[in-house]
Amino acid sequence: RKEVEQDPGPFNVPEGATVAFNCTYSNSASQSFFWYRQDCRKEPKLLMSVYSSGNEDGRFTAQLNRASQYISLLIRDSKLSDSATYLCVAPRRALTFGSGTRLQVQP
Amino acid sequence: EPEVTQTPSHQVTQMGQEVILRCVPISNHLYFYWYRQILGQKVEFLVSFYNNEISEKSEIFDDQFSVERPDGSNFTLKIRSTKLEDSAMYFCASSEQGPGDEQYFGPGTRLTVT
Repeated sequence: RKEVEQDPGPFNVPEGATVAFNCTYSNSASQSFFWYRQDCRKEPKLLMSVYSSGNEDGRFTAQLNRASQYISLLIRDSKLSDSATYLCVAPRRALTFGSGTRLQVQP
Repeated sequence: EPEVTQTPSHQVTQMGQEVILRCVPISNHLYFYWYRQILGQKVEFLVSFYNNEISEKSEIFDDQFSVERPDGSNFTLKIRSTKLEDSAMYFCASSEQGPGDEQYFGPGTRLTVT
């Protein structure tokens, strides 16, 4: 089983929409989780850290469900600039990235 | 805001040549990492480095690769004899604590092997 699994998308949503991504992880011992965003041909940028049940930062909310081993990312009021690939990470001895979920916000 | 920097931004080299990619991690960070991303594929872990030694490496990180912290600020990745399949984006990252801590990535070096 892969360490993290995400729906690759793409998710095509209109501006202003709310969109949610889910990510499942296999290592129940993971204590910290991260969401990164990656723009085309750029470096991954840390978006949110999740250490307990969840985290909120403006339009972004991350939630952790340890019992079901999944993490979600909710983006409210989508902007064109949110278009990117969103990467879920459950680190162990290193960060293991999945292929990510591609989001395209359309005008 | 402190950031990870990498040089060069783009390196073109011929097959069989040695290349050194350079990184300056965030100054108070103790853990350093190299990742690579082949075009169109996912980011892959290569190696982590702490206290002047490798703490973890992937199967990609074979004898052709080496890392070094030659001074108090730089962290380098050397590829001894480049192959065509080494063409990729190489990202350096650093974290204050271990791999479970937040890692911050540099802008990457695009390596093209011809």
